[in-house]
Amino acid sequence: AQKVTQAQTEISVVEKEDVTLDCVYETRDTTYYLFWYKQPPSGELVFLIRRNSFDEQNEISGRYSWNFQKSTSSFNFTITASQVVDSAVYFCALLTGGGNKLTFGTGTQLKVEL
Amino acid sequence: GAGVSQSPRYKVTKRGQDVALRCDPISGHVSLYWYRQALGQGPEFLTYFNYEAQQDKSGLPNDRFSAERPEGSISTLTIQRTEQRDSAMYRCASSLAVADSRSNYGYTFGSGTRLTVV
Repeated sequence: AQKVTQAQTEISVVEKEDVTLDCVYETRDTTYYLFWYKQPPSGELVFLIRRNSFDEQNEISGRYSWNFQKSTSSFNFTITASQVVDSAVYFCALLTGGGNKLTFGTGTQLKVEL
Repeated sequence: GAGVSQSPRYKVTKRGQDVALRCDPISGHVSLYWYRQALGQGPEFLTYFNYEAQQDKSGLPNDRFSAERPEGSISTLTIQRTEQRDSAMYRCASSLAVADSRSNYGYTFGSGTRLTVV
């Protein structure tokens, strides 16, 4: 069975602070894919990144960076110099190699205040 | 269309009524998925289609829920005899092909239908 745990229910930071959102996953598959999605107050789900299990290279995209560590089954997401527009619920999700269902975590509500 | 379109955006219905939720995927997308998201939770898989064939309906909670995609494009999720516990955001997603669900683009989700059963 697949499972994604986002232990942080809600995080509040002041603008320009760095913040890391944690994601721990469980799967017995050796081939799998990890995703992060952003759900702003408007409600849509916005794709941010995908990582496959064979690629542990960390990725940076502007103020966003992701740290994938198979040894700890974690795929953490860091926002550098946070902005108010980053306020949203962020979901981590897992897709196993043989399946077509995304398994989502419960999400982390990020509030960035002035 | 440019994105995945879902209608209605909001639906309030009385307990016991049937509802039909519509999803219009991105043009040319082969695979279509339905998810349900309860308040404060992440989306949960319901069912998916390749073209018009329903490949997996293991996530449908009971036989009051059904889905179809008769021409391999627009899909309808139907909930019969709605109950208050059915209240949730229902999300549709599509991808170019099954394999594309693993691509750098993942799924493209629609804005969802917020269903409230009173």
